[in-house]
Amino acid sequence: AQSVTQLDSQVPVFEEAPVELRCNYSSSVSVYLFWYVQYPNQGLQLLLKYLSGSTLVESINGFEAEFNKSQTSFHLRKPSVHISDTAEYFCAVSDWDDYKLSFGAGTTVTVRA
Amino acid sequence: SQTIHQWPATLVQPVGSPLSLECTVEGTSNPNLYWYRQAAGRGLQLLFYSVGIGQISSEVPQNLSASRPQDRQFILSSKKLLLSDSGFYLCAWMGRGRLGDGYTFGSGTRLTVV
Repeated sequence: AQSVTQLDSQVPVFEEAPVELRCNYSSSVSVYLFWYVQYPNQGLQLLLKYLSGSTLVESINGFEAEFNKSQTSFHLRKPSVHISDTAEYFCAVSDWDDYKLSFGAGTTVTVRA
Repeated sequence: SQTIHQWPATLVQPVGSPLSLECTVEGTSNPNLYWYRQAAGRGLQLLFYSVGIGQISSEVPQNLSASRPQDRQFILSSKKLLLSDSGFYLCAWMGRGRLGDGYTFGSGTRLTVV
């Protein structure tokens, strides 16, 4: 099973500033990569995913993540955050032939006015 | 469309009491089903997963158990709750062979053991 490391547990950021959340995973030839977002007292929602093809994937609300195979990373970015982006973000990884995802410990993003 | 239902939303139970949390999925068949727990500051911990009726895999030894009596029903139980069982419990499903779709999570149950 994959091991996933989210390097930052807490990220405070001002509104309209950029944010980057880092995610690294243990090496593997073929993986699926995901970012989930969790708002307080809610379940996790899929934000974006990488399966194959272009290494840059985007979500509908302005987030993007880039798959870097050589660095085994899948960092999440947003050029300008809103108050509503305050949430916990989880990176998840799976080998192609596995039954389940491996999750990082999560990064709490707090956006301040 | 597929939906996942998880209940109750919140639960306060005394130490030593039993527990039953239920999760059901609609609009799909033969899903893989999962139970996770979130404790404060500890991320997501996979407790159980199931790839079919009556097939349960346990990831972490504890006083919890899981059952899958029907294809789209997944139940988390305990005979006697401990204080350490407090947390946010999440059910999730994934289409069989559809790992690329990722999981769909339920809305969670906040369990407080007092």
